[in-house]
Amino acid sequence: QKEVEQDPGPLSVPEGAIVSLNCTYSNSAFQYFMWYRQYSRKGPELLMYTYSSGNKEDGRFTAQVDKSSKYISLFIRDSQPSDSATYLCAMNPPGGFKTIFGAGTRLFVKA
Amino acid sequence: DGGITQSPKYLFRKEGQNVTLSCEQNLNHDAMYWYRQDPGQGLRLIYYSQIVNDFQKGDIAEGYSVSREKKESFPLTVTSAQKNPTAFYLCASSMERGLAGYFFGPGTRLTVL
Repeated sequence: QKEVEQDPGPLSVPEGAIVSLNCTYSNSAFQYFMWYRQYSRKGPELLMYTYSSGNKEDGRFTAQVDKSSKYISLFIRDSQPSDSATYLCAMNPPGGFKTIFGAGTRLFVKA
Repeated sequence: DGGITQSPKYLFRKEGQNVTLSCEQNLNHDAMYWYRQDPGQGLRLIYYSQIVNDFQKGDIAEGYSVSREKKESFPLTVTSAQKNPTAFYLCASSMERGLAGYFFGPGTRLTVL
C-alpha cells in the first residue's frame, strides 16, 4: 500500500463548477499537508499548506484536513479553464525534509 | 527575482554516459532537494541537503550522486549505474525543514537513447 493515495483522474468539469480533489494517507504521524499545482512540463507550485486538522481558505481555494479519517481535500470554487492542471497532494512527517507526494490528479476545466 | 533555475530544460544522452543536471537558487534557502517524476507516479526523492557540504540519500538514490559545495548550487549526476534514467527531474529548495512547502524549479527532461 502506498503511503499516499490520489486518484489520477482525469477529472473533467465545466467552467464555474466546484471541484473536489482528494487524497488519503496511511501514516498518522503526518502533520503538515500541502497542495501543489503543476502545469504540463513545468515544476509544481505550492498552492496551500495546512497544519494538522481543519480548514484553510485562500481565494477560490479551500484546503481541508481530517486527520481522524486520514483524508485531505482541496476545493476549487468557480473553476476556470486556467485551473486545468495536475494537482499534487503532499505531506510531511514531523521531522520534515522528506515530503511524500501523491501521484497527482489531472483536472480539465472546459470553457 | 528570486527563484530556482535548472538547466538544461531538455537533455539527451546515450546509454552508458554520465550526465550532470544543474540547479541554482537565489532564495537563500538552506535546504535543497532532487526529485524524479515519472508518468502515473508521485515525485520520488533522490537526494536532499540540509546545509552546505552535507547531503542525505532519499528513497531512490541508487545510480545518482550529488554535491553541495555552495549554498546556491546542488547539481545532480545521473550515472551509468542508473537502470532507467529517462524521467523528468525536479530540483526544489525550502526554508528550514520544508514543513511549509517547497519552491520548485522548472525541471529538466532527461532522455537516454
